[in-house]
Amino acid sequence: QVQLVQSGAEVKKPGASVKVSCKASAYSLITNGITWVRQAPGQGLEWMGWISPNNGNTHYAQKLQGRVTMTTDTSTDIAYMELRSLRSDDTGVYYCAGDGVSGSGPWNWFDPWGQGTLVTVSS
Amino acid sequence: DIVMTQSPDSLAVSLGERATISCKSSQSVFYSPQNTNQLAWYQQKPGQPPKLLIYWASTRKSGIPDRFSGSGSGTDFTLTISSLQAEDVAVYYCQQYYNSQLTFGGGTKVEIK
Repeated sequence: QVQLVQSGAEVKKPGASVKVSCKASAYSLITNGITWVRQAPGQGLEWMGWISPNNGNTHYAQKLQGRVTMTTDTSTDIAYMELRSLRSDDTGVYYCAGDGVSGSGPWNWFDPWGQGTLVTVSS
Repeated sequence: DIVMTQSPDSLAVSLGERATISCKSSQSVFYSPQNTNQLAWYQQKPGQPPKLLIYWASTRKSGIPDRFSGSGSGTDFTLTISSLQAEDVAVYYCQQYYNSQLTFGGGTKVEIK
């Protein structure tokens, strides 16, 4: 059964960094990319970026350029998303999601999804 | 960026009745080399991640009940739930994957009347 399992909730102070992990089961990060999506409390979905399978090329949302880094460890099938210089409006649930279809790059729908990781930024 | 506008923000439908959600994109998401519309629909229940329902505007994911259908082309799309069931109470989102800055609609909350 394809599954993405994310790391646990985090509480951070403004200005700090957070790194969220996403462990893939029955889903190879050599052949499938990973997208990160976040959701502020009570709000809609926001695409953050995508990391390519195999070579690790990345494609980020313009508003997050310079603050976000996505990586994968294909030996363990774990993807990571690091967000730096955290602000209060970064509070929300962060999801990883797999490529709807392999080989389409970031132009894709998302399936499956991880369970989400709550990141709280508060002083 | 392509702006995705959903309407209504919320709707209440009686059990067994039809629910219709609109999604409009600020520019066409039709990709002519593949002859496909680059649009997906998701369902999100409280406390859960989104769940893929439909991609390429009208292709239902395997295992999704056939009461869910997608239609439309270019800039205007519709998600229809033909006979609303209690388990369909959720927020529904459209998403375009035509542009490499992917975007979602604001969501439509579906409730039971």
